[in-house]
Amino acid sequence: KNEVEQSPQNLTAQEGEFITINCSYSVGISALHWLQQHPGGGIVSLFMLSSGKKKHGRLIATINIQEKHSSLHITASHPRDSAVYICAVYYGNKLVFGAGTILRVKS
Amino acid sequence: DVKVTQSSRYLVKRTGEKVFLECVQDMDHENMFWYRQDPGLGLRLIYFSYDVKMKEKGDIPEGYSVSREKKERFSLILESASTNQTSMYLCASSLAGSLRDTQYFGPGTRLTVL
Repeated sequence: KNEVEQSPQNLTAQEGEFITINCSYSVGISALHWLQQHPGGGIVSLFMLSSGKKKHGRLIATINIQEKHSSLHITASHPRDSAVYICAVYYGNKLVFGAGTILRVKS
Repeated sequence: DVKVTQSSRYLVKRTGEKVFLECVQDMDHENMFWYRQDPGLGLRLIYFSYDVKMKEKGDIPEGYSVSREKKERFSLILESASTNQTSMYLCASSLAGSLRDTQYFGPGTRLTVL
């Protein structure tokens, strides 16, 4: 069983919709990352969280350490948000990655 | 901006060949990483290095070796490529200090072993 589980695996949304991607983990961690991977492979770090909530533009990330759960929200989604979103937790001196959520936003 | 470059975007090799994947970063980062990414499995750590000539095994080091002779360059070597090493390979780097800090990724090399 993967230590980091993401849901959903695939998500199709209409432009303008509010999107939520979830990440659950089974181990105690000190930090959690959300990453974005566009077609072609390049990965960009969106957030690093150890508690609470962070916001950057239309992206909001939250984490609940007690429940071992994090969410990534996208408000007013746009086709350019189409990408793979990856959750990763810092555990045992390395990052452990989820399998990713494939998001497609249709216009 | 941090820039991490990888020597090839696409590579096709034959079973048994020795394969070198090169990664270079331009921000004087201490830590460098090699991952492979496979559908449904996410990124898995092959090796990392926290200093020149230092290396640590990750989760799946079998069949791979690494070299870090200079701070900016981290090479991944497949001594004898096999078909199960067909994958996307991603290099990353991060500043000195905690390994939990933000990692900056290269564009990836899609390797096919025939």
